[in-house]
Formats: sequence, structure tokens, C-alpha cells
Amino acid sequence: DTEVTQTPKHLVMGMTNKKSLKCEQHMGHRAMYWYKQKAKKPPELMFVYSYEKLSINESVPSRFSPECPNSSLLNLHLHALQPEDSALYLCASSHSDRGGNEQFFGPGTRLTVL
Amino acid sequence: DQQVKQNSPSLSVQEGRISILNCDYTNSMFDYFLWYKKYPAEGPTFLISISSIKDKNEDGRFTVFLNKSAKHLSLHIVPSQPGDSAVYFCAASDSSYKLIFGSGTRLLVRP
Repeated sequence: DTEVTQTPKHLVMGMTNKKSLKCEQHMGHRAMYWYKQKAKKPPELMFVYSYEKLSINESVPSRFSPECPNSSLLNLHLHALQPEDSALYLCASSHSDRGGNEQFFGPGTRLTVL
Repeated sequence: DQQVKQNSPSLSVQEGRISILNCDYTNSMFDYFLWYKKYPAEGPTFLISISSIKDKNEDGRFTVFLNKSAKHLSLHIVPSQPGDSAVYFCAASDSSYKLIFGSGTRLLVRP
């Protein structure tokens, strides 16, 4: 299994809603990532988990809250988002969080905040 | 300041010909380089990578060349196929977790 899966594929939420994005991989990778991608821009790193512990937070606002329940799962909890948070949210995983490791991306969740 | 630059936003190539996508970087600490392909509404797909100790890596129709002195890498696709039409991102890392992406080049392969 060389796939990273993400659910849901699309999500529309209001600014007062609470929702969660889910990501799963079964490649035995020990590093998992959340990225945000706006239209016609490259992916921007948000969070890095290494061995189920949060190792990097790229100064992301607290309305985004990551969680890693186990080595295969990664969640992103959303609360009180703004319309400018609308974007494609990508999950990725790699063998480790060291350099020289290819990151494999999921298909993304297209988020629209009304 | 963009550390990884893809100066051509788009490229159009005839089917069967060679596609050459270029990428420049400024950080001499980068030691690992990757190319990703992205279709609309999908996540990036890893294509090929190269370590800074090499100057060429080949995988089927895809070859990546690295010129460290010029801080330049390129992706060659030959022969190009219509299914190769996508946005291609160059990315670089410096022995850490972080991938720095270029802004992407949209490739169109005309039948």
C-alpha cells in the first residue's frame, strides 16, 4: 500500500463550525505533515509530526489544531476559521523527518469557509 | 526571498518531443532535490529525486540533471505524452524535514 488517503474530499463550513480533516497512511512512515495550498501557489508547510509527536508548527494560528492518534493517522481539527482559510489541505508522509526522504502526498481536502 | 525558483510559468510541447523544465535555487545548503507532478484537484505526486552528490538521475522517461555550480536543476521528459500535461513543482531540502517548493510550471503536451 503506497497511498496516503484523506477524507473528506470536499468540505464547506461556516465560521462558527467545528470540523476535522483526516489522513491515513499504511506505509510505515514515521513522519506526517499538513500543508496548505492556495490556488496557483506551491504547498506551504503547516505542521510536522515525527514518531507521533508534534515536532514543527510553522506559526499556524490556533484555530488549526493537529492531532496524531497513532502512527498511521493524522487529524486536523478546525474551529472558528476565516474565509481566507479556504484552500486545498494536503497531508503527506515520509519515512522519517530527516532530509533525503521523499514525501508522499494525499489527494487533499478542498476546504471552503463561508 | 524565493529560495527555489521556476521562472517559466508554462511550457507547451508537441507529443513525442522532449520537455525540459527548469529550476534554480539560491541556498547552497540544499542537498536533496525532488520533482512533483500535480493534476488539478489532486495532491502532488512524487516523480523523481536527486542527491547533491550526483549530477544525473534517470527513471524511465524522466531524467533529472543537477548543476551544483550553477545552482540549477532540470527535468527532462522524453518522449512527452499528453498524459504528462500537469503542473510540475521542483522542491529542495537541506537535510531537514522541510521541502521548499518552487512556484510550479504548467506543462501542456499537444497531441
